[in-house]
This record gives sequence, structure tokens and C-alpha cells, in this order.
Amino acid sequence: GEDVEQSLFLSVREGDSSVINCTYTDSSSTYLYWYKQEPGAGLQLLTYIFSNMDMKQDQRLTVLLNKKDKHLSLRIADTQTGDSAIYFCAESLRAAGNKLTFGGGTRVLVKP
Amino acid sequence: GAVVSQHPSWVICKSGTSVKIECRSLDFQATTMFWYRQFPKQSLMLMATSNEGSKATYEQGVEKDKFLINHASLTLSTLTVTSAHPEDSSFYICSARDWSGQETQYFGPGTRLLVL
Repeated sequence: GEDVEQSLFLSVREGDSSVINCTYTDSSSTYLYWYKQEPGAGLQLLTYIFSNMDMKQDQRLTVLLNKKDKHLSLRIADTQTGDSAIYFCAESLRAAGNKLTFGGGTRVLVKP
Repeated sequence: GAVVSQHPSWVICKSGTSVKIECRSLDFQATTMFWYRQFPKQSLMLMATSNEGSKATYEQGVEKDKFLINHASLTLSTLTVTSAHPEDSSFYICSARDWSGQETQYFGPGTRLLVL
């Protein structure tokens, strides 16, 4: 079955690194995504990783994928106050018509 | 690139009226669009998948006669909430899939609906 889980909350000091974790249960996922949602807004695609990759880096963002443990993480380097938001991981399953299954979201609060 | 817009951004209506929400892909063609619903402090719940020129596919538990979806062109999908009731109040978000290269979904800014 499809199940994507995230921790609810993360507090981090400005300038430190943030690590947001996500676990999923379906090993047949094709792509895994990280989206950012600010209050009252839609979802902004941050980055994604294909399921046959282990790592992807894009400026301050680093995505790590451990397929064996079905664990996905997003590391934000030099976290800024503007990074305060809710972060959703999502998996895309070809068997499900490439629909996205979202985690519950992790609320990140960056303290100055 | 890959911008998706929604209109209106928020709407307040009386119970019993119908509300139409538009979702447009501005700079790409989207053969598939998705409609989600999000309750406060919760994740997104997929309501339906909309394919251009064909009937939408609804998720289990979503009333197709209540939430009418039309995807008449490659850049426009509409969601009509018919005979809205207060329990339909929610944040509705659409996304569009760009098939150029891979399968990423790009999301609109959302429409907040309040039914009085």
C-alpha cells in the first residue's frame, strides 16, 4: 500500500542546516519529490530525485535517497528565515498512473 | 517556466450556490491536471485526475456529481463545486503535469473556498 510519513515539526536556528526526513512504503516509486508550502499558498516544487539515484544536490538543497530503507531526506544548508514553511515529500507511482502520494508535511520554523 | 494559475484565489458564497474554479497552465501544455483538497494543517488529498478531452477519474469517496471537472483544452481545467455546503469549505489546489522530459507536477497557488 501507499504510505508516506514525515515528522510533524522541526525547529532550527538561522544559519544552521536543516534535515527533513521522510519514509515511504512502496518500493516501486519512480520519482520522489520535495515541495514547499508557505502560508495560504500552493506548493512550490523544490527538487526531485529519480528512484535509481542516491543523491542530488541543487544549491543549498541536498536530497538523499536510501532505497533499501525507503528513506528520503532533504537537507537545507545555511537555513534562512525565509525557509520557514511546511515541506511535503511525495512519491510518484507508475502503477498508480503516476499520481502523487503526499506525506503529512513537516512544519519548519527557523529562529533568528 | 512551468507556471500554473488558479482563479479565483478566494471565494465566499452562500450555501446552495455553485462555484467554478479555473486552473490554467500558462507556459506549457498539460494533458493531465489534478485537483486536490487541503484541510487546515493537513496534507493534500487527491480528488480527481483530469485528462484533456476525456472524463475525469475520481478518487474513492469523491462525489463526481458534486465536484464537476471539465478539461476542455490543454491549458485549462475547471472544477465546479455544485450546491456548495459549509462542509465544502476548504483550500482547493490544482496541479498540471508537464510531460516534456519527466513527470513533475506543478501546482497552482490554490483557491480558498468559504461557504456560509
